[in-house]
Amino acid sequence: EVQLVQSGAEVKKPGESLKIPCKASGYGFTNYWIAWVRQMPGKGLEWVGLFHPGDSDSRYSPSFQGQVTISADKSISTAYLQWSSLKASDTAIYYCARYVEGQFSYYMDVWGKGSTVIVSS
Amino acid sequence: DIQMTQSPSSLSASVGDRVTITCRASQSVRSYLNWYQQKAGEAPHLLIYAASSLQSGVPPRFSGSGSGSDFTLTISNLQPEDFATYFCQQTYSSPLTFGGGTKVEIK
Repeated sequence: EVQLVQSGAEVKKPGESLKIPCKASGYGFTNYWIAWVRQMPGKGLEWVGLFHPGDSDSRYSPSFQGQVTISADKSISTAYLQWSSLKASDTAIYYCARYVEGQFSYYMDVWGKGSTVIVSS
Repeated sequence: DIQMTQSPSSLSASVGDRVTITCRASQSVRSYLNWYQQKAGEAPHLLIYAASSLQSGVPPRFSGSGSGSDFTLTISNLQPEDFATYFCQQTYSSPLTFGGGTKVEIK
């Protein structure tokens, strides 16, 4: 079974750093992109970026470029989303998803349950 | 950026109804259009990809149509488990963008 397992809630103070994981299982981790998606409280879905564990290629939404870093450790089939200095406005649920590139279709077919990040002084 | 506009933003319907949700792109996205369902407190999950292809395991009462800029998601014979929020997404060009969502509520 293809699965993406995310960590639980993280409570941090403004200015602190954070790295949240997304552990993949049940498929070839290096064969698919991993996407990250933000959902702020009571709001819709926003694409953060993509990372390909096979060649370490990354793409970011302009809204998140320079604000977060996406990476992966192939040896443990885990992708990461990290912040060097959190802001209160980073408070949200962050989902990872497997991103499939078909012949004429690109889509997010398997999602993690989400990691809740709360940034508060 | 390609803007995705969904309508309506919410609707009330009864079990057994046929429901149609529309999604309009600010420019053509060809058929690079996906639909996701999100229930309260849960992660989104994929219903339809490439505008009209049903994801494995999704009931056939869900269907998608359209190409270019105008798309629809139809739920025929609405079931209690279908009350949720639905999002469209274009993956034609970066940045990937989602519609604002349509909340389907019980009448």
